[in-house]
Amino acid sequence: QVQLVESGGGVVQPGRSLRLSCVASGFIFRTYGMHWVRQAPGKGLEWVALIWFDGNSEYYSDSVKGRFAISRDNSKNTVSLQMNSLRAEDTAVYFCARGHRAAAGIVFDSWGQGTLVTVSS
Amino acid sequence: QSVLTQPPSVSAAPGQKVTISCSGSSSNIGNTYVSWYLQIPGTAPKLLIYDNNKRPSGIPDRFSGSKSGTSATLGITGLQTGDEADYYCGTWDSSLSAYVFGTGTKVTVL
Repeated sequence: QVQLVESGGGVVQPGRSLRLSCVASGFIFRTYGMHWVRQAPGKGLEWVALIWFDGNSEYYSDSVKGRFAISRDNSKNTVSLQMNSLRAEDTAVYFCARGHRAAAGIVFDSWGQGTLVTVSS
Repeated sequence: QSVLTQPPSVSAAPGQKVTISCSGSSSNIGNTYVSWYLQIPGTAPKLLIYDNNKRPSGIPDRFSGSKSGTSATLGITGLQTGDEADYYCGTWDSSLSAYVFGTGTKVTVL
């Protein structure tokens, strides 16, 4: 079965960096686009970034553009999110999500359990 | 703030029907397909509806989706206590080149 397991969350000071990872299993990872979605405490869902199946294209929300970078290693079934210049408003649970390969639109068909990032001094 | 607007909450008695609206614009809902997600607080979201009205395997036909113009609607019939959750719509916005979620709707079973 599809499994997505995030790691790397924790408490970090404003302005510092953190790298999240998501290890995938149960499907052919190199054929799927992958996303990061976050949810601040008590708030709604916010899409963060997308990377194509082959890593050739990336998209970011305006709130993280220029500070965060999504990448993938298809040999290790891993997608990562490098977060730099962190701000208090980046505090959230970060979910890794798989893109639905057969859908006509952008769809997240499987989700990890999430990892909590807290930006605080 | 989200570009997709949903009612903050809806409620109904068990067995009844609820509908949740998702209002957008020509650069998002009016331009492409809509998905719906269910989230029980403290857990990961779950895909309910994709491509406006398709259900993934395992999702009962009590859940339905539709789209008209720049709005989409999620319907839940035969409401059950287990349906109590937060529901989000989402789609790609071509002007933003970004995915956008709705503001979220809390469903309460009375």
